[in-house]
Amino acid sequence: GAVVSQHPSRVICKSGTSVKIECRSLDFQATTMFWYRQFPKKSLMLMATSNEGSKATYEQGVEKDKFLINHASLTLSTLTVTSAHPEDSSFYICSAGHGGPRFFGPGTRLTVL
Amino acid sequence: AQKITQTQPGMFVQEKEAVTLDCTYDTSDPSYGLFWYKQPSSGEMIFLIYQGSYDQQNATEGRYSLNFQKARKSANLVISASQLGDSAMYFCAMREGRRGNTPLVFGKGTRLSVIA
Repeated sequence: GAVVSQHPSRVICKSGTSVKIECRSLDFQATTMFWYRQFPKKSLMLMATSNEGSKATYEQGVEKDKFLINHASLTLSTLTVTSAHPEDSSFYICSAGHGGPRFFGPGTRLTVL
Repeated sequence: AQKITQTQPGMFVQEKEAVTLDCTYDTSDPSYGLFWYKQPSSGEMIFLIYQGSYDQQNATEGRYSLNFQKARKSANLVISASQLGDSAMYFCAMREGRRGNTPLVFGKGTRLSVIA
Protein backbone atom coordinates (compact mmCIF):
# COMPACT_ATOMS: atom_id res chain seq x y z
CA GLY A 1 0.00 0.00 0.00
CA ALA A 2 0.90 3.66 -0.23
CA VAL A 3 3.50 4.82 2.24
CA VAL A 4 3.25 8.53 1.38
CA SER A 5 -0.09 10.26 1.01
CA GLN A 6 -0.79 13.65 -0.51
CA HIS A 7 -3.89 15.78 -0.33
CA PRO A 8 -5.66 17.12 -2.29
CA SER A 9 -5.10 15.19 -5.49
CA ARG A 10 -6.57 17.94 -7.61
CA VAL A 11 -7.38 21.56 -6.95
CA ILE A 12 -8.72 24.37 -9.08
CA CYS A 13 -8.55 27.87 -7.67
CA LYS A 14 -8.89 31.47 -8.69
CA SER A 15 -5.89 33.68 -9.26
CA GLY A 16 -4.79 35.39 -6.06
CA THR A 17 -5.90 32.69 -3.66
CA SER A 18 -3.63 30.45 -1.58
CA VAL A 19 -3.59 26.68 -1.77
CA LYS A 20 -2.24 24.27 0.83
CA ILE A 21 -0.99 20.82 -0.11
CA GLU A 22 -0.33 18.20 2.57
CA CYS A 23 2.18 15.38 2.42
CA ARG A 24 2.13 12.61 5.01
CA SER A 25 4.38 9.65 5.63
CA LEU A 26 2.03 6.87 6.66
CA ASP A 27 4.05 4.24 8.44
CA PHE A 28 7.41 5.81 9.10
CA GLN A 29 8.81 9.02 10.48
CA ALA A 30 10.37 11.39 8.00
CA THR A 31 12.68 14.09 9.31
CA THR A 32 13.16 15.17 5.72
CA MET A 33 10.68 15.42 2.88
CA PHE A 34 11.12 16.78 -0.60
CA TRP A 35 8.85 18.82 -2.82
CA TYR A 36 9.01 18.58 -6.58
CA ARG A 37 7.23 20.28 -9.43
CA GLN A 38 6.56 18.72 -12.80
CA PHE A 39 5.42 20.45 -15.96
CA PRO A 40 3.65 18.46 -18.71
CA LYS A 41 5.96 16.05 -20.49
CA LYS A 42 8.89 17.18 -18.37
CA SER A 43 10.91 15.67 -15.57
CA LEU A 44 10.60 16.33 -11.85
CA MET A 45 12.33 19.46 -10.64
CA LEU A 46 13.27 19.74 -6.98
CA MET A 47 11.73 22.80 -5.37
CA ALA A 48 12.76 22.46 -1.76
CA THR A 49 13.86 20.16 1.03
CA SER A 50 11.58 20.20 4.03
CA ASN A 51 13.23 19.62 7.41
CA GLU A 52 11.23 18.77 10.52
CA GLY A 53 11.51 21.52 13.10
CA SER A 54 13.61 23.86 10.99
CA LYS A 55 13.45 26.01 7.90
CA ALA A 56 13.13 24.47 4.48
CA THR A 57 15.98 24.63 2.01
CA TYR A 58 14.89 26.05 -1.33
CA GLU A 59 16.47 25.43 -4.70
CA GLN A 60 17.81 28.31 -6.70
CA GLY A 61 15.07 30.20 -8.47
CA VAL A 62 12.27 29.02 -6.17
CA GLU A 63 10.58 31.87 -4.33
CA LYS A 64 10.43 30.98 -0.66
CA ASP A 65 7.78 33.62 0.04
CA LYS A 66 5.56 32.18 -2.65
CA PHE A 67 6.00 28.51 -1.82
CA LEU A 68 5.77 28.27 1.95
CA ILE A 69 6.85 24.98 3.46
CA ASN A 70 6.10 23.84 6.98
CA HIS A 71 7.30 20.55 8.44
CA ALA A 72 5.68 20.64 11.85
CA SER A 73 5.82 16.96 12.68
CA LEU A 74 7.73 13.84 11.71
CA THR A 75 4.91 12.69 9.46
CA LEU A 76 3.56 15.87 7.90
CA SER A 77 4.93 18.52 5.57
CA THR A 78 2.80 21.17 3.91
CA LEU A 79 3.38 23.29 0.84
CA THR A 80 1.35 26.48 0.54
CA VAL A 81 1.25 28.23 -2.80
CA THR A 82 0.50 31.83 -1.84
CA SER A 83 -1.29 34.27 -4.13
CA ALA A 84 -1.42 31.69 -6.87
CA HIS A 85 -1.24 32.75 -10.50
CA PRO A 86 -1.89 30.79 -13.70
CA GLU A 87 1.86 30.20 -14.17
CA ASP A 88 1.83 28.26 -10.87
CA SER A 89 -0.41 25.66 -12.48
CA SER A 90 1.54 22.43 -12.37
CA PHE A 91 1.81 18.96 -10.86
CA TYR A 92 3.29 19.07 -7.36
CA ILE A 93 4.60 15.90 -5.80
CA CYS A 94 6.25 15.16 -2.48
CA SER A 95 8.70 12.48 -1.51
CA ALA A 96 9.97 10.88 1.66
CA GLY A 97 11.97 7.84 2.50
CA HIS A 98 14.00 6.03 5.05
CA GLY A 99 17.06 4.07 4.16
CA GLY A 100 17.16 3.03 0.51
CA PRO A 101 13.97 3.56 -1.48
CA ARG A 102 12.30 6.93 -1.77
CA PHE A 103 8.56 6.96 -1.98
CA PHE A 104 6.38 9.54 -3.59
CA GLY A 105 2.93 10.82 -2.86
CA PRO A 106 0.33 10.52 -5.61
CA GLY A 107 0.77 14.18 -6.53
CA THR A 108 -1.44 17.26 -6.62
CA ARG A 109 -2.56 18.77 -9.88
CA LEU A 110 -3.00 22.50 -9.37
CA THR A 111 -4.91 24.60 -11.87
CA VAL A 112 -5.06 28.35 -11.31
CA LEU A 113 -7.69 30.15 -13.33
CA ALA B 1 26.56 19.36 -16.27
CA GLN B 2 23.67 16.95 -16.07
CA LYS B 3 23.96 14.44 -13.30
CA ILE B 4 21.53 11.96 -14.87
CA THR B 5 21.31 11.43 -18.60
CA GLN B 6 18.63 9.44 -20.33
CA THR B 7 19.32 9.57 -24.05
CA GLN B 8 16.19 7.80 -25.28
CA PRO B 9 13.17 10.14 -25.34
CA GLY B 10 10.98 7.29 -26.55
CA MET B 11 11.21 3.54 -26.98
CA PHE B 12 8.96 0.93 -28.56
CA VAL B 13 8.97 -2.74 -27.64
CA GLN B 14 6.90 -5.69 -28.71
CA GLU B 15 4.83 -7.36 -26.04
CA LYS B 16 6.68 -10.23 -24.32
CA GLU B 17 10.04 -8.95 -25.50
CA ALA B 18 12.76 -7.52 -23.25
CA VAL B 19 13.76 -3.85 -23.38
CA THR B 20 16.67 -1.86 -21.99
CA LEU B 21 16.30 1.76 -20.92
CA ASP B 22 19.58 3.63 -20.74
CA CYS B 23 20.80 5.79 -17.89
CA THR B 24 24.21 7.29 -17.26
CA TYR B 25 25.14 9.33 -14.23
CA ASP B 26 27.83 11.71 -13.12
CA THR B 27 29.08 12.07 -9.57
CA SER B 28 32.35 12.34 -7.72
CA ASP B 29 30.83 11.08 -4.48
CA PRO B 30 31.86 7.46 -3.80
CA SER B 31 28.58 6.83 -2.00
CA TYR B 32 25.39 7.18 -4.00
CA GLY B 33 22.15 5.44 -4.82
CA LEU B 34 20.46 4.91 -8.15
CA PHE B 35 16.70 4.58 -8.61
CA TRP B 36 14.25 3.82 -11.36
CA TYR B 37 10.65 4.97 -11.27
CA LYS B 38 7.68 4.36 -13.52
CA GLN B 39 5.18 7.17 -14.06
CA PRO B 40 1.93 6.18 -15.78
CA SER B 41 -0.48 8.77 -17.12
CA SER B 42 -2.05 9.12 -13.66
CA GLY B 43 1.13 10.88 -12.53
CA GLU B 44 2.04 8.71 -9.59
CA MET B 45 5.70 7.80 -9.24
CA ILE B 46 6.06 4.06 -8.79
CA PHE B 47 9.34 2.88 -7.30
CA LEU B 48 10.79 0.01 -9.33
CA ILE B 49 14.34 -0.74 -8.26
CA TYR B 50 17.29 0.59 -6.27
CA GLN B 51 21.04 0.08 -6.58
CA GLY B 52 23.55 1.30 -4.03
CA SER B 53 27.04 2.26 -5.16
CA TYR B 54 28.61 -0.32 -2.89
CA ASP B 55 26.28 -3.14 -3.86
CA GLN B 56 28.28 -5.94 -5.40
CA GLN B 57 25.44 -7.51 -7.31
CA ASN B 58 23.01 -6.03 -9.79
CA ALA B 59 19.61 -5.35 -8.27
CA THR B 60 16.62 -7.36 -9.43
CA GLU B 61 12.93 -7.02 -8.64
CA GLY B 62 10.68 -9.42 -10.48
CA ARG B 63 10.77 -8.51 -14.19
CA TYR B 64 13.02 -5.53 -13.51
CA SER B 65 16.77 -5.70 -13.29
CA LEU B 66 19.37 -2.98 -13.14
CA ASN B 67 22.51 -3.43 -15.21
CA PHE B 68 24.97 -1.54 -13.03
CA GLN B 69 28.32 -0.81 -14.67
CA LYS B 70 30.16 1.33 -12.19
CA ALA B 71 33.24 2.07 -14.28
CA ARG B 72 31.05 3.29 -17.12
CA LYS B 73 28.74 5.10 -14.71
CA SER B 74 25.71 3.49 -16.23
CA ALA B 75 22.61 2.05 -14.60
CA ASN B 76 20.40 0.68 -17.33
CA LEU B 77 16.97 -0.73 -16.53
CA VAL B 78 16.07 -4.03 -18.15
CA ILE B 79 12.42 -5.01 -18.32
CA SER B 80 11.86 -8.61 -19.29
CA ALA B 81 8.71 -10.03 -20.87
CA SER B 82 7.15 -6.61 -21.54
CA GLN B 83 3.45 -6.20 -20.89
CA LEU B 84 1.01 -3.65 -22.25
CA GLY B 85 0.75 -2.20 -18.76
CA ASP B 86 4.44 -1.32 -18.86
CA SER B 87 3.68 1.56 -21.22
CA ALA B 88 4.62 4.68 -19.23
CA MET B 89 7.36 7.23 -18.59
CA TYR B 90 10.43 5.85 -16.88
CA PHE B 91 12.77 8.02 -14.85
CA CYS B 92 16.26 7.28 -13.64
CA ALA B 93 17.33 9.15 -10.51
CA MET B 94 20.33 9.46 -8.23
CA ARG B 95 20.90 10.33 -4.59
CA GLU B 96 24.41 11.48 -3.72
CA GLY B 97 25.91 10.75 -0.35
CA ARG B 98 25.26 8.08 2.22
CA ARG B 99 22.70 9.94 4.25
CA GLY B 100 19.02 9.59 3.60
CA ASN B 101 18.26 13.29 3.64
CA THR B 102 19.65 14.25 0.27
CA PRO B 103 17.23 14.74 -2.62
CA LEU B 104 16.91 12.67 -5.75
CA VAL B 105 17.98 14.20 -9.04
CA PHE B 106 16.08 12.96 -12.06
CA GLY B 107 16.85 12.37 -15.69
CA LYS B 108 14.52 13.64 -18.41
CA GLY B 109 12.81 10.31 -18.74
CA THR B 110 12.08 7.76 -21.43
CA ARG B 111 8.58 7.09 -22.71
CA LEU B 112 8.13 3.37 -23.25
CA SER B 113 5.38 2.11 -25.51
CA VAL B 114 4.59 -1.59 -25.54
CA ILE B 115 3.02 -2.81 -28.76
CA ALA B 116 0.69 -5.79 -28.91
